Amino acid sequence: NAGVMQNPRHLVRRRGQEARLRCSPMKGHSHVYWYRQLPEEGLKFMVYLQKENIIDESGMPKERFSAEFPKEGPSILRIQQVVRGDSAAYFCASSEGHSYEQYFGPGTRLTVT
Amino acid sequence: GENVEQHPSTLSVQEGDSAVIKCTYSDSASNYFPWYKQELGKRPQLIIDIRSNVGEKKDQRIAVTLNKTAKHFSLHITETQPEDSAVYFCAASIPGNQFYFGTGTSLTVIP
Repeated sequence: NAGVMQNPRHLVRRRGQEARLRCSPMKGHSHVYWYRQLPEEGLKFMVYLQKENIIDESGMPKERFSAEFPKEGPSILRIQQVVRGDSAAYFCASSEGHSYEQYFGPGTRLTVT
Repeated sequence: GENVEQHPSTLSVQEGDSAVIKCTYSDSASNYFPWYKQELGKRPQLIIDIRSNVGEKKDQRIAVTLNKTAKHFSLHITETQPEDSAVYFCAASIPGNQFYFGTGTSLTVIP
């Protein structure tokens, strides 16, 4: 049973470009959460999605950031017109329905130059 | 919303000694409290968790205690080993919702 998968693992973008981060949840998991982690800091919630629905996006910046979890395929976190402050590790986690446990993917480390 | 505070931010112990990390939460509706270990450059890994209907849970050298009245919970690691060195995060949650994470404790076990 494969764990949570994220790709790419490392992503370098120039200021103003778009970044697309992908997350495939564990098999059987239909809930996905995205978190951002700045260097030497904690995990900050961004968005919680179920298939085709955004459940809670209270942690998402109002501009440039969007997320989706389509019926088929991975969840995608999209950052438009990236700025240097977007440089961080982005982790997704998945859970089975409304169960308690969330399991994390390996993260995507975004560097904006 | 929920607010989770975690102490200490750094902790150094001699190998074989015990380590204790404490967290407090603010929302009495929170009823699930996981602990994650994150090694440098790696993903957070769930090491132990506790639900609000339980006061203590143990798994080998790791234990977690929960005091619902005082709204605090603690991670206890006994007989620490160098491979326990990592950053540890506590979290509080209502099932099916986001996790509210503490700010992390960097644990160093000195051989």
